Amino acid sequence: AQRVTQPEKLLSVFKGAPVELKCNYSYSGSPELFWYVQYSRQRLQLLLRHISRESIKGFTADLNKGETSFHLKKPFAQEEDSAMYYCALSEGQAGTALIFGKGTTLSVSS
Amino acid sequence: KAGVTQTPRYLIKTRGQQVTLSCSPISGHRSVSWYQQTPGQGLQFLFEYFSETQRNKGNFPGRFSGRQFSNSRSEMNVSTLELGDSALYLCASSSTGYVSTEAFFGQGTRLTVV
Repeated sequence: AQRVTQPEKLLSVFKGAPVELKCNYSYSGSPELFWYVQYSRQRLQLLLRHISRESIKGFTADLNKGETSFHLKKPFAQEEDSAMYYCALSEGQAGTALIFGKGTTLSVSS
Repeated sequence: KAGVTQTPRYLIKTRGQQVTLSCSPISGHRSVSWYQQTPGQGLQFLFEYFSETQRNKGNFPGRFSGRQFSNSRSEMNVSTLELGDSALYLCASSSTGYVSTEAFFGQGTRLTVV
């Protein structure tokens, strides 16, 4: 069965430190993977998707099919990066059905 | 452009009752998905509608149902409420209905079953 695992519930770093939020998945086909973010008192929103291969707010994520991972990285964390981050995998040929991990809370302190 | 609107924001219901939640997607979006969010299970997909047709359904009992109207507004219904149905219900809309298209989420409806 398709599954997304985010092993860390909480990641605490200091401002300026590198950040890596881990995401592993299990999927039998060709996955489409996403990172969603929820800032305090805001809606869940898309941060980035692997097919775009883009960097958003300094974050990047590379799909590693061999290790079935899609870790989110940022070289220098900022306090405004503090939020809940969800890794998600698409399911189905059409539709926006997403399988989410349980999320990782990132806390960046000065 | 107005975002995804969910009503009501909060609901308190008694076990055994039924409840209807509403979702108005972003104008022009034809796909609406529903998710249940709980502390224990996280975000779980309920179902997805596109042009009034249910295309995907998650692993939830038949007490959970939904529909979509011709104006793309969607409702989900939960019958015979159980305590475990207490959750935040999120709705998301997308323009094309393909997963690679960004899904925009509403603020959710917080359902408490007592």
